[in-house]
Amino acid sequence: DGGITQSPKYLFRKEGQNVTLSCEQNLNHDAMYWYRQDPGQGLRLIYYSQIVNDFQKGDIAEGYSVSREKKESFPLTVTSAQKNPTAFYLCATTGGIAYNEQFFGPGTRLTVL
Amino acid sequence: AQSVSQHNHHVILSEAASLELGCNYSYGGTVNLFWYVQYPGQHLQLLLKYFSGDPLVKGIKGFEAEFIKSKFSFNLRKPSVQWSDTAEYFCAVKDTDKLIFGTGTRLQVFP
Repeated sequence: DGGITQSPKYLFRKEGQNVTLSCEQNLNHDAMYWYRQDPGQGLRLIYYSQIVNDFQKGDIAEGYSVSREKKESFPLTVTSAQKNPTAFYLCATTGGIAYNEQFFGPGTRLTVL
Repeated sequence: AQSVSQHNHHVILSEAASLELGCNYSYGGTVNLFWYVQYPGQHLQLLLKYFSGDPLVKGIKGFEAEFIKSKFSFNLRKPSVQWSDTAEYFCAVKDTDKLIFGTGTRLQVFP
């Protein structure tokens, strides 16, 4: 069953704690992306990675960190420095430079209490 | 850098009404444009895309969009909506190696 897996679906954390969101894909896609979705603000790009061991900041990278040690995995860490971390987080992939579309995972809803 | 504007934030229609959702991007040249849909509780999925050629693009579920270069627009249309079209719709434009998304339009269709 090919696709993108994000776990867990719902995540709760206390303020001041770092939390890592998982994104795994078995599509053999090179590029992976993390977006944050807030009501009325659409999807905003946090970080993206075109190849293993390389990644770039998106528009709202402050307070987040990522790693890309394997092609299949692109975990996102929401650090305590992120001032408003409660949001819906979406992971996406594309299949190389001349991609036709982005494929999205089911998302993780993070609530920081 | 590119940007995308979706001016309709919330649209409410009755079934069988026609739909047009606006999307404008910021500057010209070669553009790759997309419409994505997010049904309640489901993954974001591609409705249609424009890369080149015929400016009238057909997508899934009876949706279409027209690329008008002179207006920097890529509006989404459907002649007759159904209750099942209730969802959030996002326009996006490719900017070098990433997509730039609009703020989305929430569509509610009532029977």
